[in-house]
Amino acid sequence: QITLKESGPTLVKPTQTLTLTCTLSGFSLSTSAVGVGWIRQPPGKALEWLAFIYWNDDKRYSPSLKSRLTITTKDASKNQVVLKMTNMDPVDTATYFCAHSPLTFGDYWDFWGQGILVTVST
Amino acid sequence: EIVLTQSPGTLSLSPGERATLSCRASQSVSSSYLAWYQQKPGQAPRLLIYGASSRATGIPERFSGSGSGTDFTLTISRLEPEDFEVYYCQQYGSSPYTFGQGTNLEIK
Repeated sequence: QITLKESGPTLVKPTQTLTLTCTLSGFSLSTSAVGVGWIRQPPGKALEWLAFIYWNDDKRYSPSLKSRLTITTKDASKNQVVLKMTNMDPVDTATYFCAHSPLTFGDYWDFWGQGILVTVST
Repeated sequence: EIVLTQSPGTLSLSPGERATLSCRASQSVSSSYLAWYQQKPGQAPRLLIYGASSRATGIPERFSGSGSGTDFTLTISRLEPEDFEVYYCQQYGSSPYTFGQGTNLEIK
């Protein structure tokens, strides 16, 4: 049974760096040809893709945010995926989701975490 | 970047009716790498369709996807009360992966 869960701060100050962790269950990036993506959704708005990491450690980033984003796995077990976003701004207030991609027919997402609402405010 | 435009923005129908949701891409979507998601308030999106027309595991047969190139459609053959949610299309054929702005399917 595949599940994902996001964790991290729910409130950050402008200019700070946000660090979010996605804990994987039922699969690992070290044992399966799969991928994990991060997607965010500002309140009342549409979804926006941020970053993607593959089982072979290949990475992709949204060009508009690439200079601010880093996606990694936390340790050799590859059971956790970490997203870092620098220089946070109030416009970055959103629910951040991580999601599993089976890579069977491209990089779509079939299992999602519940999301974590991050507010950027002084 | 491929821009996805969904129409209509809001669709008002009654249970039992047929719903047709459109997703138009600004450029051709490679390999029909187009997905549809349903989202309920306060929840994560749920995958309905991938590869433009393949139903995800556990998705009822009343949901179907079609299209290729720049024009894609999600059809719900007979609306159930639980279908009145927001629907997003997403292309994953080329980076950056992009989503449409969503269609809100509401009860008439």
